[in-house]
Amino acid sequence: RKEVEQDPGPFNVPEGATVAFNCTYSNSASQSFFWYRQDCRKEPKLLMSVYSSGNEDGRFTAQLNRASQYISLLIRDSKLSDSATYLCVVVTSGTYKYIFGTGTRLKVLA
Amino acid sequence: SQTIHQWPATLVQPVGSPLSLECTVEGTSNPNLYWYRQAAGRGLQLLFYSVGIGQISSEVPQNLSASRPQDRQFILSSKKLLLSDSGFYLCAWSPPYNEQFFGPGTRLTVL
Repeated sequence: RKEVEQDPGPFNVPEGATVAFNCTYSNSASQSFFWYRQDCRKEPKLLMSVYSSGNEDGRFTAQLNRASQYISLLIRDSKLSDSATYLCVVVTSGTYKYIFGTGTRLKVLA
Repeated sequence: SQTIHQWPATLVQPVGSPLSLECTVEGTSNPNLYWYRQAAGRGLQLLFYSVGIGQISSEVPQNLSASRPQDRQFILSSKKLLLSDSGFYLCAWSPPYNEQFFGPGTRLTVL
């Protein structure tokens, strides 16, 4: 089983739609969680950290479910500019290793 | 503010040639430093990380090596490139357990 798993997609959604991605992780000792966005042929850029109580940044909401070992990202009112690959990242306690999922590709259609 | 530099942006090298990619960070001290490789259409593969000068942890056996001669400098090297070394090489830095920040990457093509 992979340490971090994501549905590769692609998710094709119309502008204005709400879309959600899940990411599961296998190590229960994982302690830090992030969502990154990667545009084609560019470096990943931090979208948001994921806190235990859940957190929101504008149209983006991140949730952590430790019992079921998954994190989620919700995007409301999708924009064309949201089209990208979304990577979830997990850091395990006691290590300095950031484990990336393979990413979920989102395409927002006009 | 912190910035991370990587060069070159693109590189085309023949099989069997050496490689040296450099990454430097400004605006912070004692960062954790990382080298990743991303093959076309694939996820990020952690190659090396370093938590201090001269300290290198290798994640994947291969013909690559890394060095950290200074606190904010991380170098990825190879003595002889293979076709399979082609990919997008990304350097990143972070304070421990916090967000990672990536450099712009080097796109390497081995012919």
